[in-house]
Amino acid sequence: GAVVSQHPSWVICKSGTSVKIECRSLDFQATTMFWYRQFPKQSLMLMATSNEGSKATYEQGVEKDKFLINHASLTLSTLTVTSAHPEDSSFYICSARRDRSSGNTIYFGEGSWLTVV
Amino acid sequence: GENVEQHPSTLSVQEGDSAVIKCTYSDSASNYFPWYKQELGKRPQLIIDIRSNVGEKKDQRIAVTLNKTAKHFSLHITETQPEDSAVYFCAASKRSNDYKLSFGAGTTVTVRA
Repeated sequence: GAVVSQHPSWVICKSGTSVKIECRSLDFQATTMFWYRQFPKQSLMLMATSNEGSKATYEQGVEKDKFLINHASLTLSTLTVTSAHPEDSSFYICSARRDRSSGNTIYFGEGSWLTVV
Repeated sequence: GENVEQHPSTLSVQEGDSAVIKCTYSDSASNYFPWYKQELGKRPQLIIDIRSNVGEKKDQRIAVTLNKTAKHFSLHITETQPEDSAVYFCAASKRSNDYKLSFGAGTTVTVRA
């Protein structure tokens, strides 16, 4: 099956610093990737849609200047949490959509646990 | 936007029994309905999906049904095993929205040995 890799799996950072999370589609090209945030025992909350070569589309209530998304290639999207604060601590998951010929199926990365201290 | 509701929020079944999870959606244009299984701290895994041109799909012990008129779809797990214990999410999406997934709240399934 399709593989989506996310890195790092765990990260601890100090309050006020920035953290970058990478999402890669390893065996297919993904023009569209999605970034989610998940709190314990809750569902996945979509943060933004990342399209290769264009600006990300953010969901209502998500600060675009705080959560910077870059989709510079067909296999890589990055999420940078800028000036992180403890309330940004969460599980962040990316997903990538395979193309139409493969049914537009969406596959998820392993997720990244962010802890801001 | 799309609103997906999922029930029940928790489900406990005896090993060997069946488990059924139901979801409803609001956007009649939605045409793709995947189901994901998520174990604690891990990524959601696609277990089965169905498209709007199909009413039912089965894969071994897992089946999904879709009623487009009523805008609801269900996941059926037969002969449950302890390893089926996890959180299950339904989702809905449509092509015009880049197949952006709208998730249900999730169902925590516990299979008692």
